[in-house]
Amino acid sequence: GENVEQHPSTLSVQEGDSAVIKCTYSDSASNYFPWYKQELGKRPQLIIDIRSNVGEKKDQRIAVTLNKTAKHFSLHITETQPEDSAVYFCAASTITGGGNKLTFGTGTQLKVEL
Amino acid sequence: DGGITQSPKYLFRKEGQNVTLSCEQNLNHDAMYWYRQDPGQGLRLIYYSQIVNDFQKGDIAEGYSVSREKKESFPLTVTSAQKNPTAFYLCASSLQLAPQHFGDGTRLSIL
Repeated sequence: GENVEQHPSTLSVQEGDSAVIKCTYSDSASNYFPWYKQELGKRPQLIIDIRSNVGEKKDQRIAVTLNKTAKHFSLHITETQPEDSAVYFCAASTITGGGNKLTFGTGTQLKVEL
Repeated sequence: DGGITQSPKYLFRKEGQNVTLSCEQNLNHDAMYWYRQDPGQGLRLIYYSQIVNDFQKGDIAEGYSVSREKKESFPLTVTSAQKNPTAFYLCASSLQLAPQHFGDGTRLSIL
């Protein structure tokens, strides 16, 4: 089955700096890569996703890049703000007609310091 | 997401007891999923269902059971066979070929 590794497990940045979180996956058939943000005690919320036919996707301060050959994808957050502090999870799946079975990374605790 | 409702928010289980966690969605999503989250860890898939009356085991199905009798409902039973049930349980749903969206979760503890 799919295996997703995520690094680093904790990341501390100064407000206004950029943050980068990296994930690797094992199954070359995976074609869908979402990123979720989870605040303490809350539900994970989808912040951005990318499909395998695209190399990069941007949404304001957030971007995701995908390297299919190397089987890795990364989340980039620019101009970080204190409200970006949370745990971020990457995931990978093969989307089929009936849904998608996600395999998650172990999470990155991002702390944005004033 | 407002369309996925999990209940109860907190649940306590006595030894030897089965407990059932509720998940209801009004988004008309075909697929529904149950995940378990332990402190400091990622989400692990317990069961998923792509269509009514059908479901498949995820990565950690032992000690759990589910049913999918209605499109909008996907209850999870934590049986007494699950020896370490203390965790945060998250239900999600999705349309075909679409992202998963999560409910607010149920926190299960052992008395």
